[in-house]
Amino acid sequence: DAKTTQPTSMDCAEGRAANLPCNHSTISGNEYVYWYRQIHSQGPQYIIHGLKNNETNEMASLIITEDRKSSTLILPHATLRDTAVYYCIVRVTNAGNNRKLIWGLGTSLAVNP
Amino acid sequence: NAGVTQTPKFQVLKTGQSMTLQCAQDMNHNSMYWYRQDPGMGLRLIYYSASEGTTDKGEVPNGYNVSRLNKREFSLRLESAAPSQTSVYFCASSEVGLGYTFGSGTRLTVV
Repeated sequence: DAKTTQPTSMDCAEGRAANLPCNHSTISGNEYVYWYRQIHSQGPQYIIHGLKNNETNEMASLIITEDRKSSTLILPHATLRDTAVYYCIVRVTNAGNNRKLIWGLGTSLAVNP
Repeated sequence: NAGVTQTPKFQVLKTGQSMTLQCAQDMNHNSMYWYRQDPGMGLRLIYYSASEGTTDKGEVPNGYNVSRLNKREFSLRLESAAPSQTSVYFCASSEVGLGYTFGSGTRLTVV
């Protein structure tokens, strides 16, 4: 399974866009990129996922490079409540094999006033 | 919507005691999971259940057992608790094409 590499920590000013990078250079063609976040020891919260195309939902945008070796999660207007640890995860999509989410340590994002 | 509900939220056990962590989801998801989270480490999968009636081992199954009681409920049992099992335990559920929904966690201390 592909592993991911993320910066340990980042800072962002409130109201500005937060761009969180993730490297997944060993990703395979059928592996999706998922993003979750965890706010202060709560359960992780699903944000967004994608395979090849860029994706957007009410929470964030996901930009995946053409070679799929890296991606960026964008929080367009960060608020203090977005302070959390953000996890980038690559997941195999084979039928019956959707349990192998390998969680790293993520990026600790601090949104400052 | 409750989502994924875990009980209890906190528990202190003595070494050798047993207990069962309960998890229930109301989203009609087929798959359910148990993870543990320790300081300085990512979430690690203990057991999972791809569908009602099936369970499989994850990365760190030793010392644990699970039961998929029905589609809604997936319990995790510690038969003889050890200090190494002190952790935060998360239950999650998912459906094909969707992200995982996690519970709020059970903070277990084994002394």
